[in-house]
Amino acid sequence: EAGVAQSPRYKIIEKRQSVAFWCNPISGHATLYWYQQILGQGPKLLIQFQNNGVVDDSQLPKDRFSAERLKGVDSTLKIQPAKLEDSAVYLCASSLMETQYFGPGTRLLVL
Amino acid sequence: AQSVTQLDSQVPVFEEAPVELRCNYSSSVSVYLFWYVQYPNQGLQLLLKYLSGSTLVKGINGFEAEFNKSQTSFHLRKPSVHISDTAEYFCAVTRGGGANNLFFGTGTRLTVIP
Repeated sequence: EAGVAQSPRYKIIEKRQSVAFWCNPISGHATLYWYQQILGQGPKLLIQFQNNGVVDDSQLPKDRFSAERLKGVDSTLKIQPAKLEDSAVYLCASSLMETQYFGPGTRLLVL
Repeated sequence: AQSVTQLDSQVPVFEEAPVELRCNYSSSVSVYLFWYVQYPNQGLQLLLKYLSGSTLVKGINGFEAEFNKSQTSFHLRKPSVHISDTAEYFCAVTRGGGANNLFFGTGTRLTVIP
């Protein structure tokens, strides 16, 4: 069974630029999550989707971050404009029930 | 809301020695508990989980953990570590029942010394 796929794996941008990350969950998993992991910390939820609807986006900085999950499968997370403090690993996870399976992450560096 | 405390940020241990990584949680509702491992430049891999039933749960790579409700703990143990166990370990908690947000601890860096 294929795992959670993410791309790109690495991205370097300058502050105020925009960036987008893509995630393809495990086939059949209705729930998709985006987490932000800052160096030295545990992951923190940005947004949770159930099919193509948002369940929880309370921690998403909506002035600069946006996410969508069209057709309830793939998802895209965008940052516009990026700030230095957005440098982190962005992890996508999916689940059928309570157990979440994670992708390899996208490492973002904002200069 | 739920929260997790991992008391040790770094744990060095000699190869073939036993190890325990400590995790305490806080929650006012029933919970599910998880341990994940993260190798350098990789995502999180599930080691084991407690949902219900037996409080001693066994996972991959010889790891096990014990759920202790009275002490609100879920410590991870391995009787004999290998060099390949060197990684970051995260304890996480979620509200019981269905697909819910995971709350992670800050992680414990396990370094196995040859």
